[in-house]
Amino acid sequence: QSVLTQPPSVSAAPGQKVTISCSGSSSNIGNNYVSWYQQLPGTAPKLLIYDNNKRPSGIPDRFSGSKSGTSATLGITGLQTGDEADYYCGTWDSSLSAFGGGTKLTVL
Amino acid sequence: QVQLQESGPGLVKPSQTLSLTCTVSGGSISSGSYYWSWIRQPAGKGLEWIGRIYTSGSTNYNPSLKSRVTISVDTSKNQFSLKLSSVTAADTAVYYCAREDDYGYHFDPWGQGTLVTVSS
Repeated sequence: QSVLTQPPSVSAAPGQKVTISCSGSSSNIGNNYVSWYQQLPGTAPKLLIYDNNKRPSGIPDRFSGSKSGTSATLGITGLQTGDEADYYCGTWDSSLSAFGGGTKLTVL
Repeated sequence: QVQLQESGPGLVKPSQTLSLTCTVSGGSISSGSYYWSWIRQPAGKGLEWIGRIYTSGSTNYNPSLKSRVTISVDTSKNQFSLKLSSVTAADTAVYYCAREDDYGYHFDPWGQGTLVTVSS
């Protein structure tokens, strides 16, 4: 059971926008930075967003992150079929690094 | 840029010790302010953080695994290692090594992962 709660799945049509939520508590999201990872089928996770809303070099600005209180959100605009993947949020929680359970994005 | 590569046996017998090594290339494991971490993912499931080692050698472990985990570093070989003792089928997973930022605690880059199966 993850301490960070994500919806199991989301879906949207190509070109549309989707948001993925990550809900936590004061011991994790409320007092620490949030990061987001994209895991394409059969590959290792890849950093998409760090420090709540920063994008590593090479990540397009279609991907955005935000945080408010004990929740965080990943936004993806201009959806492409190549965005179909599992997405995980992550943060520090008291004495360990924690991940959300993951959200499967389907681009219809 | 820094790259990480896991190596080790793909099959471990129950009750034995799982041993994996992560080789860091493109940069020194001793430079910068980073943790070096292990994360695992059972088939079809989410990510579980196992633990990490700092460049100073200090370690942090997931409390749920702490009694069975040891992470060490060999700076001369630019490698860090994972040992997980008394394994069971529940430890079957893809094991990833990753570099963890010591400020924002995000993981980048990741190794490609290695599947370890626990079976007799």
